[in-house]
Amino acid sequence: AQKVTQAQTEISVVEKEDVTLDCVYETRDTTYYLFWYKQPPSGELVFLIRRNSFDEQNEISGRYSWNFQKSTSSFNFTITASQVVDSAVYFCALRGNNNDMRFGAGTRLTVKP
Amino acid sequence: NAGVTQTPKFQVLKTGQSMTLQCAQDMNHEYMSWYRQDPGMGLRLIHYSVGAGITDQGEVPNGYNVSRSTTEDFPLRLLSAAPSQTSVYFCASRESQGLGEETQYFGPGTRLLVL
Repeated sequence: AQKVTQAQTEISVVEKEDVTLDCVYETRDTTYYLFWYKQPPSGELVFLIRRNSFDEQNEISGRYSWNFQKSTSSFNFTITASQVVDSAVYFCALRGNNNDMRFGAGTRLTVKP
Repeated sequence: NAGVTQTPKFQVLKTGQSMTLQCAQDMNHEYMSWYRQDPGMGLRLIHYSVGAGITDQGEVPNGYNVSRSTTEDFPLRLLSAAPSQTSVYFCASRESQGLGEETQYFGPGTRLLVL
């Protein structure tokens, strides 16, 4: 069975702080994809990143970075120098050999000015 | 491209009523799916389709029907609405059914309240 755990339900930081959102996954598939989505207060789901199971290189995109570690089944997301506009719910998701994507419960990030 | 569109944006139903949530995509994607989002539970897959004429059940299919007569459209039907179906519903699409580089795109969501 596939499962995604986001243990942090809510995180609150002050603007310019760095923040890391944790994601731990379970799967028996050898080939799989991991995703992060952002859901701002407006409600839409915004795709942030996709990683496949064979590519453990960390990725940086502006203030965002992702740390994929197969040894600990984790795919953590760090926002550097957070901004108020980063306030949102962030979802980690996993897609394996079957067709469905399993989502974590989400982490609500609040960035205070 | 309009991407993935959903109608209506918001709907109130009484218990026992039926309705259809509409979903359309103009990207010629083969794979389409429906999710529901409930507080503290993330998104859960209801039904999915890997192409016109083919549908299958996801994690929480009970109480919902789907059909896929065209590549573009994937409606979700509630035959007899129940309060437990109060949720936000998202439709999504991606290029193919296989495991590959395709990205899944989500519609804006439909907020459903069943009284």
